[in-house]
Amino acid sequence: ILNVEQSPQSLHVQEGDSTNFTCSFPSSNFYALHWYRWETAKSPEALFVMTLNGDEKKKGRISATLNTKEGYSYLYIKGSQPEDSATYLCAFIDYGQNFVFGPGTRLSVLP
Amino acid sequence: GAGVSQSPSNKVTEKGKDVELRCDPISGHTALYWYRQSLGQGLEFLIYFQGNSAPDKSGLPSDRFSAERTGGSVSTLTIQRTQQEDSAVYLCASSLEGGIHEQYFGPGTRLTVT
Repeated sequence: ILNVEQSPQSLHVQEGDSTNFTCSFPSSNFYALHWYRWETAKSPEALFVMTLNGDEKKKGRISATLNTKEGYSYLYIKGSQPEDSATYLCAFIDYGQNFVFGPGTRLSVLP
Repeated sequence: GAGVSQSPSNKVTEKGKDVELRCDPISGHTALYWYRQSLGQGLEFLIYFQGNSAPDKSGLPSDRFSAERTGGSVSTLTIQRTQQEDSAVYLCASSLEGGIHEQYFGPGTRLTVT
């Protein structure tokens, strides 16, 4: 059974704060890692697809890094805004195309 | 262009009845996934279709669940003899191919079994 963990489970920050959270996944048989943002009453939206060790992706104020050797990825949000409030999901894919989502980190940005 | 669509958006059914949930993926996407989110839970993988290959059914919770994908496009998830624990939001997603391509999610079907 593939185990994908995310921490923290939930996070409350003030508008303007920068924050980060972690996705931990198996370090063997890595194929790809996805990050999604899931806002309440909407469907998950893709943020990043990461495939290479040392990869760093950026989209506006959000960035992510990847360490496949130790099995973790960080998601960073710079200058959090209320519209960043959502659940952030990571998903691990192995070479067998097994696709496992983590439980998510619920972010609340307070104005 | 059109995104992933799902129907119905809401379905209320009595325990023991069968239900069919439909997913129309983005045109040209060869990979299609079904997930469900039960109350207070994360996303649970159910089944994965890739092109003409045999589907990965490893996530289906019981033999009451089945899915098919006709012509490599539209997919139907069928739940037979529904139980109250089947109540959840069922999400469908599609992608260009498998794992390295981002998934595009539909709006989901909220199933309530009374």
